Amino acid sequence: RKEVEQDPGPFNVPEGATVAFNCTYSNSASQSFFWYRQDCRKEPKLLMSVYSSGNEDGRFTAQLNRASQYISLLIRDSKLSDSATYLCVVNAITGGGNKLTFGTGTQLKVEL
Amino acid sequence: DAMVIQNPRYQVTQFGKPVTLSCSQTLNHNVMYWYQQKSSQAPKLLFHYYDKDFNNEADTPDNFQSRRPNTSFCFLDIRSPGLGDAAMYLCATSSPRDLRNNEQFFGPGTRLTVL
Repeated sequence: RKEVEQDPGPFNVPEGATVAFNCTYSNSASQSFFWYRQDCRKEPKLLMSVYSSGNEDGRFTAQLNRASQYISLLIRDSKLSDSATYLCVVNAITGGGNKLTFGTGTQLKVEL
Repeated sequence: DAMVIQNPRYQVTQFGKPVTLSCSQTLNHNVMYWYQQKSSQAPKLLFHYYDKDFNNEADTPDNFQSRRPNTSFCFLDIRSPGLGDAAMYLCATSSPRDLRNNEQFFGPGTRLTVL
């Protein structure tokens, strides 16, 4: 079983749609969680951290369910510029610092 | 602007010919990471430095080595590149001051082609 699992997509949605991505992780000792965005042939960039209480940043809402080891990302009112791959990332603190484990990403294509 | 810089952006090497990729940062972060990312795959951590302490991932091949001569610079050496080593190599940094909510800052990557 992969440490972080995501549906690879692609999710093809019309502009203005609401889309949700899910992610599960296997390491119950994981301590923090993130969504990164990666554009084609570019580096990953932090989109938002994910907190147990859920958090929102504009059109983006992230949720964490520790009991189910499940993370979600909701994007409302999709824009063409939201087209990218969304990486679910889990952080575990090790003796040598912190270690991020990435999912393979979910590809989103927003269309006119 | 403070940033993570990787050189070169594109590197072509021959099968078996050693190659070095470089990363520098102006963020003054203690931790530097090297990831390998192949097409449609997740970035895979190869190793990282916490200050001068080297932390190798268990499944990183011996063909991959790293050096960190100072806080700002970190190098990835591939001793004998094989065709399977063609990938994007990403350098990232982080600061341990807040490990729980620790963002990693990525450089633009070096895309390695092996002929």
